[in-house]
Amino acid sequence: DQQVKQNSPSLSVQEGRISILNCDYTNSMFDYFLWYKKYPAEGPTFLISISSIKDKNEDGRFTVFLNKSAKHLSLHIVPSQPGDSAVYFCAASATGGTSYGKLTFGQGTILTVHP
Amino acid sequence: GAVVSQHPSRVICKSGTSVKIECRSLDFQATTMFWYRQFPKKSLMLMATSNEGSKATYEQGVEKDKFLINHASLTLSTLTVTSAHPEDSSFYICSASGTGRETDTQYFGPGTRLTVL
Repeated sequence: DQQVKQNSPSLSVQEGRISILNCDYTNSMFDYFLWYKKYPAEGPTFLISISSIKDKNEDGRFTVFLNKSAKHLSLHIVPSQPGDSAVYFCAASATGGTSYGKLTFGQGTILTVHP
Repeated sequence: GAVVSQHPSRVICKSGTSVKIECRSLDFQATTMFWYRQFPKKSLMLMATSNEGSKATYEQGVEKDKFLINHASLTLSTLTVTSAHPEDSSFYICSASGTGRETDTQYFGPGTRLTVL
């Protein structure tokens, strides 16, 4: 049962344009969402997060949008740069109860930014 | 801040031997550490969650006698793969979350590539 889904395995974008990475979840207990960037043979690097009490969080070129009613979140990168090329994972957590802190990851989306 | 290190970065061992991987939080106290495994072109699979000073909680299907986890201090957790076999070859990644701003966010180590011959 895939509770966090990234339905696009890959995305290709021109440098300077916007990259939009999407993520859907099914578990209504999730209340904290994160995006990680990962290069091959390295650990994920934390990018940005959002709590369910918000619908938008911005940090520099990265903005995460959360639509709780649709159980959908997205990561916007603008402007995209070639150095952004990596695998992006979205992750979700239910911060209450016995599963506190445990992250459920999506399958990842490979972003390629062309110069 | 929020740096997590792992050692070794890669290890090759013979079948039947045991391998220990260390995970350290360098600039914060990690009340909880997580161990993941990543298969090629797959997402991260959570193996276990460990809280400092208590036994680890293993995910379904993960053999606790094979993957021994110790979280003896607020900055160190170890994963020991006992009697390793070729099918244990994988990329193992730890993460840590702590107090303050690190409470809800997991920060990941760089990973350890294990190859069992």
